[in-house]
This record gives sequence, C-alpha cells and structure tokens, in this order.
Amino acid sequence: AQTVTQSQPEMSVQEAETVTLSCTYDTSESNYYLFWYKQPPSRQMILVIRQEAYKQQNATENRFSVNFQKAAKSFSLKISDSQLGDTAMYFCAFIKGPGGSEKLVFGKGTKLTVNP
Amino acid sequence: SQTIHQWPATLVQPVGSPLSLECTVEGTSNPNLYWYRQAAGRGLQLLFYSIGIDQISSEVPQNLSASRPQDRQFILSSKKLLLSDSGFYLCAWNVKRVGWPNYGYTFGSGTRLTVV
Repeated sequence: AQTVTQSQPEMSVQEAETVTLSCTYDTSESNYYLFWYKQPPSRQMILVIRQEAYKQQNATENRFSVNFQKAAKSFSLKISDSQLGDTAMYFCAFIKGPGGSEKLVFGKGTKLTVNP
Repeated sequence: SQTIHQWPATLVQPVGSPLSLECTVEGTSNPNLYWYRQAAGRGLQLLFYSIGIDQISSEVPQNLSASRPQDRQFILSSKKLLLSDSGFYLCAWNVKRVGWPNYGYTFGSGTRLTVV
C-alpha cells in the first residue's frame, strides 16, 4: 500500500520569505501523480500543484514550485515570496495510475503560518 | 464547467439523532465520488467511495453509511449520531477515465458537524 509522510507538523515563515514543505512517499508503482493541496482556515481544499511521475521537469505554478526526486521518493513544495494568504494546512497526496478509480492517499499535513 | 455542491455548511445535532449530508456534482457524468472526514487538527480519512449508482465501498467500519441514488448525488447518513461523529466532512469527485492525465480530486466546501 502507498503511504505519504509529511514530517513537519507545523512551520512558520516571515512574509516575503521562502519556505519549503517536505513530503516523502512510498510506492512500488512507476506511473503515478503527486499533488499538493492547500486548506486555508475556511477549510476548502484547493489544489495547489500537481506532478506527473514520468515527467522529470519540476512543476511550477506562479510562486509555488516542487522539487520532485523520484529515486528518493521525495516531493517538496517551495513557496516563494510568502504571503499572509498562504497561511493554511498543506497536504501532500499521491495517486497511482493515469486515471480511473484509484484513491488519493494523503499525508497528515503541515500547518504553515505566514507572519507579518 | 464542473461544480460540486455540499450542504449544509454547518450542523449541530444531538447525540442519537439522524444525519443526512448531501453532495451533488454538476457538469459531468459518471464521476467517482468520495466522502472524507477530518477531525480537528488531523488529516483526512476516507470514509466511502463510489464508482457508480448503488456501488458504494466503505473504508472504515463506523456509525455512518453512504448512498448514491442518482449518478451525481452522494449522501452520507447515520441513524443515530455519536459524539465521535463530530468533525468536518468533505465530499469530492474525480473523473473516471483511464488513460487520461489524473487531475486529482475536486472537493466540496465541507460540512462542519458538531454532535452535542
């Protein structure tokens, strides 16, 4: 079974600085997808970024980027120029296969606080 | 475009009372549907998932049940609520299409349930 581990329960960063959230996963699959979801205080789950395992290039979405190390099974999220609105729980998630009815497996989350 | 609706947003129910939470998806057909629970300060626990009408799988034995009476409708129920049923409940959907890129799940806005 696949597992996702987020080793940092809580982190804080100063506004405008850069922060990196860690995620490792365990799988024997070769074809899978990885995601970072953000859950702000409103508790709405929002997709931040996704990475396809067969792509070596790291995904980027504006201030959010990932460092995907497939051999190390590591998938960290870097937030540049942190903003107060980035304060949220961040969940790393894994799903195997290109699609179909596979289930999304979540880590336990990292609570990020951006300080003014 | 696809949208997911979940209601009610907030619910306070006495112990022993019944429960019905509803989730509907618009703009797509034959989606996979999911119910998650999130206890305070914790990660997401998958409760039920459905790949089609009347096709429900339970992940965790509990006091809850789920039904899918229509293609895009997913209902979470209980006959008698327990204090331990308190939490934040999220509905989610994804496309059932093997071979396509996997875009993860799209989540509803959630229901905050307090059992008193």
